[in-house]
Amino acid sequence: GIQVEQSPPDLILQEGANSTLRCNFSDSVNNLQWFHQNPWGQLINLFYIPSGTKQNGRLSATTVATERYSLLYISSSQTTDSGVYFCAVEPGQAGTALIFGKGTTLSVSS
Amino acid sequence: NAGVTQTPKFRVLKTGQSMTLLCAQDMNHEYMYWYRQDPGMGLRLIHYSVGEGTTAKGEVPDGYNVSRLKKQNFLLGLESAAPSQTSVYFCASSWADNNQPQHFGDGTRLSIL
Repeated sequence: GIQVEQSPPDLILQEGANSTLRCNFSDSVNNLQWFHQNPWGQLINLFYIPSGTKQNGRLSATTVATERYSLLYISSSQTTDSGVYFCAVEPGQAGTALIFGKGTTLSVSS
Repeated sequence: NAGVTQTPKFRVLKTGQSMTLLCAQDMNHEYMYWYRQDPGMGLRLIHYSVGEGTTAKGEVPDGYNVSRLKKQNFLLGLESAAPSQTSVYFCASSWADNNQPQHFGDGTRLSIL
């Protein structure tokens, strides 16, 4: 089946720093989503981005489907950005489940 | 808007006990999913449903059963709980069309002693 690899596995930042998280996937996908899992365990849907670039405040994401990767950019990081960031892809037709990467754990200190 | 609601939020069971986790969505989505998340890992699919009355197995279905009697509800059952089923369980739903994101509930934390 499709493989989803995220890097780096762990990231420690000072408040105000910028960062880039990467997601590589081994086959073509229909859909790709980025999630933030906060310290309370909730999964927050950040982006639905099967291709192209989207921005939402300090966060932006780019997916290059032909090269099978996606990037999540976090600018001017804040302590509330801490948590685990997951990339998940939908490899088949609509209704197939998301395949998750193992996540990047981000810690932002003040 | 409630979105996807999971009940209960927390539960502790003894080995061998049974229970049912309820997922309800108010977005009229056709597709619903149950995932589990274990420490240090992403979510893995247990079972899913593409419509009322239909269910299918996912990556890790053993020890679980599901039912979708109503479009808005997707139930996950553990007939005889085992410590290996200690996990956080997430329900999700989505439209049937392509290019639609999945929406997740807040999770159910289940401990089997």
